[in-house]
Amino acid sequence: GEDVEQSLFLSVREGDSSVINCTYTDSSSTYLYWYKQEPGAGLQLLTYIFSNMDMKQDQRLTVLLNKKDKHLSLRIADTQTGDSAIYFCAESVQGGSYIPTFGRGTSLIVHP
Amino acid sequence: DVKVTQSSRYLVKRTGEKVFLECVQDMDHENMFWYRQDPGLGLRLIYFSYDVKMKEKGDIPEGYSVSREKKERFSLILESASTNQTSMYLCASSWDRGLGGANVLTFGAGSRLTVL
Repeated sequence: GEDVEQSLFLSVREGDSSVINCTYTDSSSTYLYWYKQEPGAGLQLLTYIFSNMDMKQDQRLTVLLNKKDKHLSLRIADTQTGDSAIYFCAESVQGGSYIPTFGRGTSLIVHP
Repeated sequence: DVKVTQSSRYLVKRTGEKVFLECVQDMDHENMFWYRQDPGLGLRLIYFSYDVKMKEKGDIPEGYSVSREKKERFSLILESASTNQTSMYLCASSWDRGLGGANVLTFGAGSRLTVL
C-alpha cells in the first residue's frame, strides 16, 4: 500500500527559498499532490503532478519529482510570512485505490 | 466559489453523548470523506462514501458511523463520545470516480470537537 513520509518542521527566514520534501512508496502510476493548511482552516490544493512528469512550476511554487528515489519536493521562492502553514504531501494511485494517502504534514515557520 | 460547509466550527460535548457532525457540498461531487487530524499524526481517514447510501470504512472507523442519505450531505456520528475522540474533524469531497484521473479533494474548514 501507499505510504507517504515528510519531515514535521521547517523554519526559514523571510525572503529565502523553502524546500519541503516528501517520499512515497508506491511504484505504480501515481498522482502526487501538495496541499496547504493555514491556521484554523481546512486544506487547500496548491498543485499536483503525475508521475510521468519531472517538474511543474506555478509562480513561486516549483514541484520536482525524482521517480527513481520516489522523492517529491515543493520549493517556495521568496518565502513570505503568509506562507507559514502546514504543507501536506499526498499520493493517489492510478488504477488502484483512488483515495489519497496523506503524509503527516510539514509545519513551515517563516521568520521576519 | 465551490464549497464544502461544516455546520459546526467548535463543539464541546460530554463523555457518552451522541454527536453529529454535518457536512454539505454544493459541487455535485460523487465522493465524500471524513478525516480526523491530530498533531503529529496528520490526516487519518475515518469513512468515505462514493455514492448516496454507500459507505466504506477508512483507516480508523472504530467508534464512528456515517450517513449519506442525500448526495450533498455526509454526516459523521459518534454514538457515545469519548475523550480520545477530541480532535479536529475535516470533511472533504471530490468528483473522481476512480477512472484514472487526479482525485483532487476540496476540504471544509473543519470542526474542532472537545469531549470532556
